[in-house]
Amino acid sequence: KNQVEQSPQSLIILEGKNCTLQCNYTVSPFSNLRWYKQDTGRGPVSLTIMTFSENTKSNGRYTATLDADTKQSSLHITASQLSDSASYICVVSVILTGGGNKLTFGTGTQLKVEL
Amino acid sequence: NAGVTQTPKFQVLKTGQSMTLQCAQDMNHEYMSWYRQDPGMGLRLIHYSVGAGITDQGEVPNGYNVSRSTTEDFPLRLLSAAPSQTSVYFCASSPYTEVGYGYTFGSGTRLTVV
Repeated sequence: KNQVEQSPQSLIILEGKNCTLQCNYTVSPFSNLRWYKQDTGRGPVSLTIMTFSENTKSNGRYTATLDADTKQSSLHITASQLSDSASYICVVSVILTGGGNKLTFGTGTQLKVEL
Repeated sequence: NAGVTQTPKFQVLKTGQSMTLQCAQDMNHEYMSWYRQDPGMGLRLIHYSVGAGITDQGEVPNGYNVSRSTTEDFPLRLLSAAPSQTSVYFCASSPYTEVGYGYTFGSGTRLTVV
């Protein structure tokens, strides 16, 4: 079982609508949680990074929330645009015993925005 | 501002062939890493480096070698390609591994081994 699970696997919405993507994780000890956007044929691009003490962080029309107690995060996209069509990947960073961080990647939610 | 540059973008290899995937960054980042991305799986770490002359294994290192002779370059070598190595490979760099510093990813190399 993946230690970072995302839902839904895929989503289709109409342009202008809002949507929320979910991420549940089991890895520990937690360092930070990141959301990335990956366009087809491109590398992931960072949207937000949140530490244990942060509950919410925004980047334009993207707002990420974090509940470290329940180990859940969400990414809310407001007023979607065609260019939001991409895979959204949740990444959890854990603290290693010897120092440094290890990233565990979710499999992503594939979002398609249609006219 | 080039960021992280990967070459080639596409490659087809025959089983048993060797090749090197190139990765270069111009941001003076200490940390560089290689990931592979397979359908239905999250990105998995192959090898990483925290500075010139220092490399270490990730979770799926078998069949791959790396070296870091300069801060800028971090090539990934496939010693004897196998069909199981068919994947999309991403190089990523970061100023540090600590919180607050997001990775910068290259655009990927799509490798097919036949």
